[in-house]
Amino acid sequence: AQSVTQPDIHITVSEGASLELRCNYSYGATPYLFWYVQSPGQGLQLLLKYFSGDTLVQGIKGFEAEFKRSQSSFNLRKPSVHWSDAAEYFCAVGLTSGTYKYIFGTGTRLKVLA
Amino acid sequence: NAGVTQTPKFRVLKTGQSMTLLCAQDMNHEYMYWYRQDPGMGLRLIHYSVGEGTTAKGEVPDGYNVSRLKKQNFLLGLESAAPSQTSVYFCASSPDPGFDTEAFFGQGTRLTVV
Repeated sequence: AQSVTQPDIHITVSEGASLELRCNYSYGATPYLFWYVQSPGQGLQLLLKYFSGDTLVQGIKGFEAEFKRSQSSFNLRKPSVHWSDAAEYFCAVGLTSGTYKYIFGTGTRLKVLA
Repeated sequence: NAGVTQTPKFRVLKTGQSMTLLCAQDMNHEYMYWYRQDPGMGLRLIHYSVGEGTTAKGEVPDGYNVSRLKKQNFLLGLESAAPSQTSVYFCASSPDPGFDTEAFFGQGTRLTVV
């Protein structure tokens, strides 16, 4: 069955430090992969997505993610975290068999220390 | 630039009461979705619609009904609310079924059933 795993429920980093949020997926075909961010009281906003081609994708707000097929991973990174990055981050797989749907991970809540 | 608007933003229901959540989008999108978000479980698809007058079940449809009488509106109904339906509900819309275009999410409705 298709699934998305985000092993870290909470992560705390200091402002200015680097960040890596982990995401592993299980899907038989080449996946469509997404990272969304949810700021407090807000809806989900798309950070970046991967369909094909270059396995390192750039997104908004200085985020990037790398697709590694051999590890079934799509980890999100940022070289220097800002206090405004504190939010919850969701990794998702897009299913293309049948009707297009998203399968979301359980989310990682990021806390940024000043 | 309203995007996706959910009404209401907060609601408290007593067990057994009914209510309807409204999702309205002004982007002329064909596809609309209702998700629920629960701690530690990410977002799960309740129902979705591929166009005006059509609806389909998602992962967790039990206890919910939906209608898409107008293209811009997607209603989620709870006929007899249960405490297990306490959750944050998100609506989303997208212009087509594929993932080449972005899905837009509303700000969520926090529902508590007591």
